[in-house]
Amino acid sequence: QTVVTQEPSFSVSPGGTVTLTCGLSSGSVSTSYYPSWYQQTPGQPPRTLIYSTYTRSSGVPDRFSGSILGNKAALTITGAQADDESDYYCVLYMGGSIWVFGGGTKLTVL
Amino acid sequence: QVQLVQSGAEVKKPGASVKVSCKASRYTFTNYAMHWVRQAPGQGLEWMGWINVDTGDTKYAQKFQGKVTITRDTSASTAYVELSSLRHEDTAVYYCVRQWSMVTPTLGYWGQGTLVTVSS
Repeated sequence: QTVVTQEPSFSVSPGGTVTLTCGLSSGSVSTSYYPSWYQQTPGQPPRTLIYSTYTRSSGVPDRFSGSILGNKAALTITGAQADDESDYYCVLYMGGSIWVFGGGTKLTVL
Repeated sequence: QVQLVQSGAEVKKPGASVKVSCKASRYTFTNYAMHWVRQAPGQGLEWMGWINVDTGDTKYAQKFQGKVTITRDTSASTAYVELSSLRHEDTAVYYCVRQWSMVTPTLGYWGQGTLVTVSS
C-alpha cells in the first residue's frame, strides 16, 4: 500500500522561508494527485490552505504557496510568523475514490 | 459561507456502536461529496471514506471497511458516519469534510469535529 510521506518536524526562524514536502513511498506526486494542504493548531479542526496543488483557499495569506518540486508536492511559507507554528498535513487523491493523508509535519517557529 | 455542524461528544463502551451526524447548510447538499476523517489523540489525520451525496454511493479506506458505514439523509441535509464494534483504539475526533467542488477531488470545508471516547 502506498504511503504518503511528510517530514515529521521542521523548524524555521521568524521571517524565514520553509518548504514542507509531500511525497509517495513509491512513485512521484504530480498535479493529477490534486495535492492539498491543511494547517491545524491544537484543539482546532484543520484549516484548508492550498488545494489542487497551487490554489490558495479564501483568506489564506499569499505567503503560503503550493507547488510541485521534483517528485513531491510542496508547501512553501515565506516570511514565517509565530502563529504559523502548527501541524501541517497534505492529502493526495490516489484515484478510484481513495484519498490518503500524509503523517503530518510539526512546524516550529523559533 | 458553508457550514457543517456535527453532533456532540459521545462516550461508548467497547463493543457498542456510535453514529455521528454532520448537518450541512448554506449550500446545495446534494451537489457535493462528503468525506469523513479520523484523528486519534496526538495522532495525524486518517481518511476514512466518502459518500456521493447525490447517489448515495460510498467508498471506504481499506482499514475501515466493515467498521464504518457512511450514509446521508438528503431531506435533512445531514451526513452520518456509524462505527460498529467499538474498541478503545476507536477513541478519536471524527470530522466531516465537504469536498471542495464537484470537479475538484479535494477536501475543503471541515466540520468542528466530534470526540468519540470508547471506555469501559
